[in-house]
Amino acid sequence: DAKTTQPNSMESNEEEPVHLPCNHSTISGTDYIHWYRQLPSQGPEYVIHGLTSNVNNRMASLAIAEDRKSSTLILHRATLRDAAVYYCILSAASNYQLIWGAGTKLIIKP
Amino acid sequence: DARVTQTPRHKVTEMGQEVTMRCQPILGHNTVFWYRQTMMQGLELLAYFRNRAPLDDSGMPKDRFSAEMPDATLATLKIQPSEPRDSAVYFCASGLVSAGPQNIQYFGAGTRLSVL
Repeated sequence: DAKTTQPNSMESNEEEPVHLPCNHSTISGTDYIHWYRQLPSQGPEYVIHGLTSNVNNRMASLAIAEDRKSSTLILHRATLRDAAVYYCILSAASNYQLIWGAGTKLIIKP
Repeated sequence: DARVTQTPRHKVTEMGQEVTMRCQPILGHNTVFWYRQTMMQGLELLAYFRNRAPLDDSGMPKDRFSAEMPDATLATLKIQPSEPRDSAVYFCASGLVSAGPQNIQYFGAGTRLSVL
């Protein structure tokens, strides 16, 4: 299974945009890029996913590099409630399993 | 608001006792996943069901763990006998296999297990 690499932690100020990077240099052509987040004492929750094109939803935006070897999750205006661990995961076409890494702990400063 | 329901939310038990955790997947979902989360190991996949049939339980210690889906609305994870090293948060997630690799997993709130 293709792996992802994320920074262990990042800090950002409240009400500012946040760019969370993810490297996935061994991604295959049919792997989807998923982002989940886990708030303290809760189960993970889906944020966004994409294949090749940039994606937007009510929670975030996903920017995918042209060669697909990296992606960036963008929170346009972070709030204290966005403090969580953010996981970047590749979902293979051959199965439906998600292989979880350590994620990035996002700290939001008031 | 459809959600995955897990019971109990917390369980404290003594070593050697049987523990049963239950999960009600979202109605209509045909895949169910059991995960374990610890500080040291992070999120680990224990078992995976599709249409109630176990497809992959390679992540589960076979001698003491068992996972079943008696019907489409209930998944169970049992530990017998329990050991202190089983202390963790156990999550259940459900999804739709027809979505393919876009399959989004919806997680429950978890069962926090402490084995003394």
